[in-house]
Amino acid sequence: DAKTTQPTSMDCAEGRAANLPCNHSTISGNEYVYWYRQIHSQGPQYIIHGLKNNETNEMASLIITEDRKSSTLILPHATLRDTAVYYCIVRVRRDDKIIFGKGTRLHILP
Amino acid sequence: GAVVSQHPSWVICKSGTSVKIECRSLDFQATTMFWYRQFPKQSLMLMATSNEGSKATYEQGVEKDKFLINHASLTLSTLTVTSAHPEDSSFYICSAPPGLLSNEQFFGPGTRLTVL
Repeated sequence: DAKTTQPTSMDCAEGRAANLPCNHSTISGNEYVYWYRQIHSQGPQYIIHGLKNNETNEMASLIITEDRKSSTLILPHATLRDTAVYYCIVRVRRDDKIIFGKGTRLHILP
Repeated sequence: GAVVSQHPSWVICKSGTSVKIECRSLDFQATTMFWYRQFPKQSLMLMATSNEGSKATYEQGVEKDKFLINHASLTLSTLTVTSAHPEDSSFYICSAPPGLLSNEQFFGPGTRLTVL
């Protein structure tokens, strides 16, 4: 079973920051937090991952709480193309199989 | 970056026939690949782990005789849906970890199977 819980859906206005929360209260010390997204009828796309520290790349920022029991994915300036299902996943190794939860369906509103 | 392709992108077949779906890693070698199935408005469900040179490992509840997986080379895994039925209609997606090339797994674009 997936080890994370996410809201079923969220709305965000275009141009604003989208903040997607994820709870992973049972995360182990050696597990990373990964975020993927799936645009309709496409394969999932990697966004970002982290262990303890906050991370930022060209797509997003990942904020992990100090106790590591939750995290937030931030899309700084959401566009209509960011409409997708976002999956938060915890796992140990990059080549581990990925067990997907239900994810958050993000709607970007024009 | 690393790319995973799938062929075909969509296929329609008659009930009772078999369908083969290919998953290729285009610029890296993958000793392991993963196969997922996704029904409309649902999440991806892991079906099996494909291992180069050895038997695939199936998740609980997935019929290994119905979903045949062959990982014949370091860049190719195939999923064959045997004796397909309408309930097998789904979106099939593969993924592969590129080893030292990246920290992520790369997913194929998916194959839409429709069984009439």
